[in-house]
Amino acid sequence: QKEVEQDPGPLSVPEGAIVSLNCTYSNSAFQYFMWYRQYSRKGPELLMYTYSSGNKEDGRFTAQVDKSSKYISLFIRDSQPSDSATYLCAMSLTGNQFYFGTGTSLTVIP
Amino acid sequence: NAGVTQTPKFQVLKTGQSMTLQCAQDMNHEYMSWYRQDPGMGLRLIHYSVGAGITDQGEVPNGYNVSRSTTEDFPLRLLSAAPSQTSVYFCASSFNLGGNTIYFGEGSWLTVV
Repeated sequence: QKEVEQDPGPLSVPEGAIVSLNCTYSNSAFQYFMWYRQYSRKGPELLMYTYSSGNKEDGRFTAQVDKSSKYISLFIRDSQPSDSATYLCAMSLTGNQFYFGTGTSLTVIP
Repeated sequence: NAGVTQTPKFQVLKTGQSMTLQCAQDMNHEYMSWYRQDPGMGLRLIHYSVGAGITDQGEVPNGYNVSRSTTEDFPLRLLSAAPSQTSVYFCASSFNLGGNTIYFGEGSWLTVV
């Protein structure tokens, strides 16, 4: 079983839609949860970072962590064509090794 | 602020050739690492370093060698390239081992024929 599971998609939504991206994980000891956005032919860039459980909001993006269910989510409100990218979830116990999902490909259609 | 810089961006190698992927960061980060990204496999850790002179293996270290002589630089060497090493390689860094978040370079696309 992989440490982190992520539906690869692809996911296609109309502009303005709410997007929900999800990852599940197997190691209950993970404490740090991240979402990265990766545009085609580019390196991943940090989008959201959350420690332990709870929600974190940054503009149109909201990250949620449910440690009891070992499930994390990223919500994108009012999605824009510029949000079209691959979204990677990542997790860490103490910051010494990061476990990545395989990424979900998102296309926002104008 | 350049961040994490990787060279070259694209490279084609013949089987058996050796080469070095360069990585440099200007953020004074102690922790640096190399990942490879393959379709359906996600990002996998090759080697990492927690400071100058200290390196360790990650999940997929075979066929790769690293060294860390300075804080800024962390080159990745392919000793004898194989087609299985065709991949996209990313260098990453963070402030320290417990930095919680890592920052990636732009990637190096390597094809071994």
